[in-house]
Amino acid sequence: QLQLQESGPGLVKPSETLSLTCTVSGGSISSSSYYWGWIRQPPGKGLEWIGSIYYGGSTYYNPSLKSRVTISVDTSKNQFSLKLSSMTAADTAAYYCARLWLQFLVFDYWGQGTLVTVSS
Amino acid sequence: QSALTQPPSASGSPGQSVTISCTGTSSDVGGYNYVSWFQQHPGKAPKLMIYEVSKRPSGVPDRFSGSTSGNTASLTVSGLRAEDEADYYCSSYAGSNNHVVFGGGTKLTVL
Repeated sequence: QLQLQESGPGLVKPSETLSLTCTVSGGSISSSSYYWGWIRQPPGKGLEWIGSIYYGGSTYYNPSLKSRVTISVDTSKNQFSLKLSSMTAADTAAYYCARLWLQFLVFDYWGQGTLVTVSS
Repeated sequence: QSALTQPPSASGSPGQSVTISCTGTSSDVGGYNYVSWFQQHPGKAPKLMIYEVSKRPSGVPDRFSGSTSGNTASLTVSGLRAEDEADYYCSSYAGSNNHVVFGGGTKLTVL
């Protein structure tokens, strides 16, 4: 059974850069059938797609976040990572990693999510 | 403001049917058959309920069904049960630039 697990700090200071890692188990991140993505959800609000990456390194980013986002992949560790710079209180959210099934362009497997709070 | 528009709330009594709408544009919902629906209980990750407009993943009851008409997608939950009470989000592919867009979510209450 495929599992995704986010890891990283739960508290980030304003203006700093958030770094999160998603570890994939029960399957290979190097499959040609999937992209791997990050989605976030501010407390009490809806879902927002941040960006997605292919195992070969190709990326797609949400245009509204593109200037601050970098997503990378490490196939040797079966992991992919998110960096979001210049964090503000508006970036406080639960951050989810998920698998994007290319055949149907749907996020079919999700991590449990990790809450990131931006505060000094 | 979310890219896809959903009503903030919906409700129904046990056994009844309820339909949740998701309105987009010809650049997302109306342009591709890649609409999906997610169920989210409090404190939990979203769970895929419908993909490619009307397909159900293994294990999802056939009480859940999806459809589209023009730029609007719909999720229908039939035979409402208490455990269906949750937030529901629609999502659509939106082309190579925006890639994936979500709706703002609908809170379904089982009365």
